[in-house]
Formats: sequence, structure tokens, C-alpha cells
Amino acid sequence: DIVMTQGVLPNPVPSGESASITCRSSKSLVYKDGKTYLNWFLQRPGQSPQLLTYWMSTRASGVSDRFSGSGSGTYFTLKISRVRAEDAGVYYCQQVREYPLTFGSGTKLEIK
Amino acid sequence: EVQLVESGGGLVQPGRSLKLSCLASGFTFSNYGMNWIRQAPGKGLEWVASISSSSSYIYYADTVKGRFTISRDNAKNTLYLQMTSLRSEDTALYYCARQWRSHFDYWGQGVMVTVSS
Repeated sequence: DIVMTQGVLPNPVPSGESASITCRSSKSLVYKDGKTYLNWFLQRPGQSPQLLTYWMSTRASGVSDRFSGSGSGTYFTLKISRVRAEDAGVYYCQQVREYPLTFGSGTKLEIK
Repeated sequence: EVQLVESGGGLVQPGRSLKLSCLASGFTFSNYGMNWIRQAPGKGLEWVASISSSSSYIYYADTVKGRFTISRDNAKNTLYLQMTSLRSEDTALYYCARQWRSHFDYWGQGVMVTVSS
């Protein structure tokens, strides 16, 4: 199984600053079509997860351009620019390169 | 508006069975793969099972393989998860999620399953 390992943020992050969340996979998530099968989600307190980006760097519909995904085949970063109170929650990366699909353990973002 | 509404959860004794449903609306259900994902209290997300649009492809997490069965009825716009031989570690909030290509773009609000004597 592909193991997803997420980093920890130095919380809280001051409002208006940037935050970068990291995720590492135990195997390359690049498929033969050239796409990288890595999704990012935000789960706000008491809510269902919300898709932020897919194929590593494509923003989902309606997602602010303050969120940007990047990375290589095994190391990924979600950058949040000018953080706001509404960005608080737990961020999860997920690999969809192969089954079983796996999530990272989550990275909590607190806003000051 | 896309909506996914889970139901069927509750308190169940270990070893018993339970069937969850997810009623979809606002999109052509038969065109999309669907998934179940769960979240134990205070814990992270765990993918449980996937089913393709026509039920041709089905996958399970090792933790539920042989005990859970995912299915769908495209005529009723409904996804199911039949859970048998339930264990305390199956206690979680169960979400259904729509899958478009590789990504889970819409999630339901979840239904709670508690396995306890």
C-alpha cells in the first residue's frame, strides 16, 4: 500500500501570512498518462471534507486561487497564501494512483 | 445542486450487521463512480470502498474486505454499504463521496455507526 506522510505546521499562523503543508508518498504518484494522482482536502470543524486540488495542482471548482498545489512524484506541497480565519481546519492529502486509496494523517491549521 | 444524503446508521452490537444508504440527487448518478470513506471519532479519513458507475469495478480496503459489500442501484440513485461482522473498530462517521475521474468532488454529511455492546 502507498503510505502518505504529512508534515506538521507551526501553529498558529498569523492571519495574512502564508502556510505550506507538506505530504510525502512512499511511491511515485505519476501515472503513465503523465498526471500526478494526488488530491488535497480541507475539513473544517464539524464539516465534511472539501476538495481543494486534484492531479496535484488543479484547483477544484470554486476554490480560491490562494490555494496552490505543487510537487514532484513523491513530495507535495499545498501553499495557502494570505491565510484567513476560514482556512482553519485539518488538511488531508490523498493518493488516487492505485488501490487501496490512502490518505495522509492530516495537518491541522490554526489561525491567529 | 449536487446532494448526497447518507442514512441507516446507528448503534449496533459487535458481530451484527447494518446497511448504509446514500441517496444522490442533482446529477446523473449512473455516470459517476462512488465511494465510502469513514472517520473514527477524533481521527483521520480512511477510504473504505469504491464502485464504478456500472458496478463493473469494485475495490475494498483490507480492513473491511470480506465483511463489507458496496453496491448501487442506478435506477434509484442510491449507493449502499452492507456491513457484516461489525467490530468496535468500525465505529466511525461514514461518508459517501462522488468520484469524477480521480477525485472525490462531492461528499455527503456523513452517518454515524457505533459498534458497542
